[in-house]
Amino acid sequence: DTEVTQTPKHLVMGMTNKKSLKCEQHMGHRAMYWYKQKAKKPPELMFVYSYEKLSINESVPSRFSPECPNSSLLNLHLHALQPEDSALYLCASSQDRGIDTEAFFGQGTRLTVV
Amino acid sequence: AQSVAQPEDQVNVAEGNPLTVKCTYSVSGNPYLFWYVQYPNRGLQFLLKYITGDNLVKGSYGFEAEFNKSQTSFHLKKPSALVSDSALYFCAVRDNNQAGTALIFGKGTTLSVSS
Repeated sequence: DTEVTQTPKHLVMGMTNKKSLKCEQHMGHRAMYWYKQKAKKPPELMFVYSYEKLSINESVPSRFSPECPNSSLLNLHLHALQPEDSALYLCASSQDRGIDTEAFFGQGTRLTVV
Repeated sequence: AQSVAQPEDQVNVAEGNPLTVKCTYSVSGNPYLFWYVQYPNRGLQFLLKYITGDNLVKGSYGFEAEFNKSQTSFHLKKPSALVSDSALYFCAVRDNNQAGTALIFGKGTTLSVSS
């Protein structure tokens, strides 16, 4: 099983809403990532979790709040977002933080902020 | 800082012809290079990686990539293109100055294969 599952696939939220994106993997991977991707652009790293601890925060605004409840799950809590936050949010995982390990990506959540 | 460059925004090839998608890299130390493909409204799919060893790396869906240290390149190739290969292709590098930093992606190249 080389699958990373993200839910929901699509999300429309108002600027005053609170919502969460969910990501799950059962490959025993110990590193998990959140990326943000605008149309036709490369993914931009947001957060890295290693062994369930936040190891990298790429200066992401506090309206995005990650959470790693256990080694298989990664959440991204959203609050008071702006229209410019509309994007495809990708979750990925890798075996560990090793330099030679590839990452496996989920299908993404298409977020629209209205 | 580690980086990769994809000099072409778009590559157009006819079905059955060979294809090449270009990538050059700039790293300090040994390069760890990856290719991913993204179909419309989908996540990224891993194609192949170069870590060490043979300069010709074989990957998924008939793709291969050639590592060239003197030219600092890692071009993606396929001997015979399919219409279904049309997608957005990303070259990526791991930041080996800070072990475990996530992948750094090139800007992407759109491959269009015509029938």
